[in-house]
Amino acid sequence: DADVTQTPRNRITKTGKRIMLECSQTKGHDRMYWYRQDPGLGLRLIYYSFDVKDINKGEISDGYSVSRQAQAKFSLSLESAIPNQTALYFCATSDSGTIHNEQFFGPGTRLTVL
Amino acid sequence: EDKVVQSPLSLVVHEGDTVTLNCSYEVTNFRSLLWYKQEKKAPTFLFMLTSSGIEKKSGRLSSILDKKELSSILNITATQTGDSAIYLCAVAVNDYKLSFGAGTTVTVRA
Repeated sequence: DADVTQTPRNRITKTGKRIMLECSQTKGHDRMYWYRQDPGLGLRLIYYSFDVKDINKGEISDGYSVSRQAQAKFSLSLESAIPNQTALYFCATSDSGTIHNEQFFGPGTRLTVL
Repeated sequence: EDKVVQSPLSLVVHEGDTVTLNCSYEVTNFRSLLWYKQEKKAPTFLFMLTSSGIEKKSGRLSSILDKKELSSILNITATQTGDSAIYLCAVAVNDYKLSFGAGTTVTVRA
C-alpha cells in the first residue's frame, strides 16, 4: 500500500466551484505539505503544516485554504476555483526528526478548472 | 529569493547513451541538495547530497555536489527506456522548505 495517498486522482470542475483535495499518510510523519506543479515552473509550496495545530502559508497560498484534521490527514481547498488553478497538485510528508528535510510525495491530483 | 536552475530543460537520447543533468542554485541557506525522479506519478527520491556527503552512487545513477560552484550533476550511464522521466533537483534551505528547479525531461528511445 502507498504511504502517501491522494484523492481524487483526477478532477475536472468549473470556475467558481469549491473543490477539496485530500491527502492521507501512513508514514507517521508529523509534517505535511501541499505543492502545485506547472510546466516550466517546478513545484511550488502552497501550505505546510508542522502538526495539527501549526499551519503555515507557503509561497503561493492565495486562493487556497487547508485543514489538518489529524496527524495523518491534510486537505487542500479551493474555495472558488479559477482556470489558472489548473495544475498537478502534490501532497508530501516529512519527519521533523531528520535534519535534511527529505520529503515523500503522494501520487498527485490532476485538477482542471474550466 | 532562492533560485534553483536545471539544465537542459529536456533531452532525447538513445538506449545505452550517457546522460548528464545539471542543477545550479543560489539560496539563502544551503542544507542539502536532493534529486527526485518523476515518472507519471509521484516524485520519488533518488539522492541527497550534503556538505559531508558530496558524492552518491546507486547502480547506473551517480551524483556529485560542487559547493564551490553551487551546483550538482546527475549522471545516468547505459540509459534504458525506463529512465525516461522528469528529473527534479531541490535544495533544502531550512528544515521544512525545499526550493525546486523546473526539472529536466529525459526521453530515452529504444
